[in-house]
Amino acid sequence: GDSVTQMEGPVTLSEEAFLTINCTYTATGYPSLFWYVQYPGEGLQLLLKATKADDKGSNKGFEATYRKETTSFHLEKGSVQVSDSAVYFCALSDPSDAGGTSYGKLTFGQGTILTVHP
Amino acid sequence: AAGVIQSPRHLIKEKRETATLKCYPIPRHDTVYWYQQGPGQDPQFLISFYEKMQSDKGSIPDRFSAQQFSDYHSELNMSSLELGDSALYFCASSFRYEQYFGPGTRLTVT
Repeated sequence: GDSVTQMEGPVTLSEEAFLTINCTYTATGYPSLFWYVQYPGEGLQLLLKATKADDKGSNKGFEATYRKETTSFHLEKGSVQVSDSAVYFCALSDPSDAGGTSYGKLTFGQGTILTVHP
Repeated sequence: AAGVIQSPRHLIKEKRETATLKCYPIPRHDTVYWYQQGPGQDPQFLISFYEKMQSDKGSIPDRFSAQQFSDYHSELNMSSLELGDSALYFCASSFRYEQYFGPGTRLTVT
């Protein structure tokens, strides 16, 4: 079945440092890929997405490129802020699971805890 | 903008009791998903509904059931609760595209 693997965490950085969180996936079809962020005590918020190979998703300074050849979707940010401290989840959905009505259920990675210090 | 509403936000039950969680999707969204997130875990898909019909099923225990009503809200019914059911339960809604998550219901079983 489909699966998502994220880099081991947690990650601790100083403000303005460069961030990379690795994400690789296994899927039988042609999945769409997502990064979600979860702040303490809150729900999951969609950070960015990519629906086909070589697509780049970007939002709030974060970027991730859908690499089919390496089955990866690594999250990057050039300069993190204290307010970026949260848990980041890589996820995929396989539209073939949904009969074409939507993206289908999400399969999540383990999550990476990011802490940014001033 | 309207968001996904879940109620209650917090729920405390004893073992073997029953719980009902409610989800109100974003207006015009026709698909609802339920996920369970254990402490320190990633969310696990339970079940989904499209246009009031079950569209997919994941690792949902037989003790749990769910449905989507004519107004598109959904309810997750959980019976014979066990300590291991303590978790954060998320509902998400979508219309063709990405899923938008509610704030979750934190269920504690004692």
